[in-house]
Amino acid sequence: GQQLNQSPQSMFIQEGEDVSMNCTSSSIFNTWLWYKQEPGEGPVLLIALYKAGELTSNGRLTAQFGITRKDSFLNISASIPSDVGIYFCAGQWGETSGSRLTFGEGTQLTVNP
Amino acid sequence: SQTIHQWPATLVQPVGSPLSLECTVEGTSNPNLYWYRQAAGRGLQLLFYSIGIDQISSEVPQNLSASRPQDRQFILSSKKLLLSDSGFYLCAFDRVNTEAFFGQGTRLTVV
Repeated sequence: GQQLNQSPQSMFIQEGEDVSMNCTSSSIFNTWLWYKQEPGEGPVLLIALYKAGELTSNGRLTAQFGITRKDSFLNISASIPSDVGIYFCAGQWGETSGSRLTFGEGTQLTVNP
Repeated sequence: SQTIHQWPATLVQPVGSPLSLECTVEGTSNPNLYWYRQAAGRGLQLLFYSIGIDQISSEVPQNLSASRPQDRQFILSSKKLLLSDSGFYLCAFDRVNTEAFFGQGTRLTVV
């Protein structure tokens, strides 16, 4: 089955620092997604990537769909305390119904003021 | 617009009691539907996913079952809860090559 390795598992940073996290897959994906989850809530979509090589920004967030289609990264610039949460990558490999998402294990981000 | 509703938000149940968590989707048709469990605030463990009515795949052997009686309704059930069933349960939906949307989650505590 599909395997997603997400790293790092956790990060402790100071406010204002930049953050980088990534996911790698043993297989090719057609879609990469990045989510953020705050305590007691469901994950919320941050960025969606649909083409190999695609680089997409959403405010201070930037994500890229790797050329090999087996990896993706998420960068957060100038972190602020409200960036705290768990960040998940997710990949989808198929083009037909039934192609379910596979999630990484998450990166727990802590931002110290 | 597409929305997903999951309830209840929190639930405390005694060991051995039944469970029924419900999830409904609006604004789309033929969605893929998912039930995840999350323990200790880390990692989404896929429990069940469904590509259509009465088409459900189980990812891990467990004390839970799922049903999809209608296109946009997904139900997670148990006949007898165990302490180990405690956790944060999330329902989600997506369509082919689109992003997944999650419900608000249900915090289940089995006592």
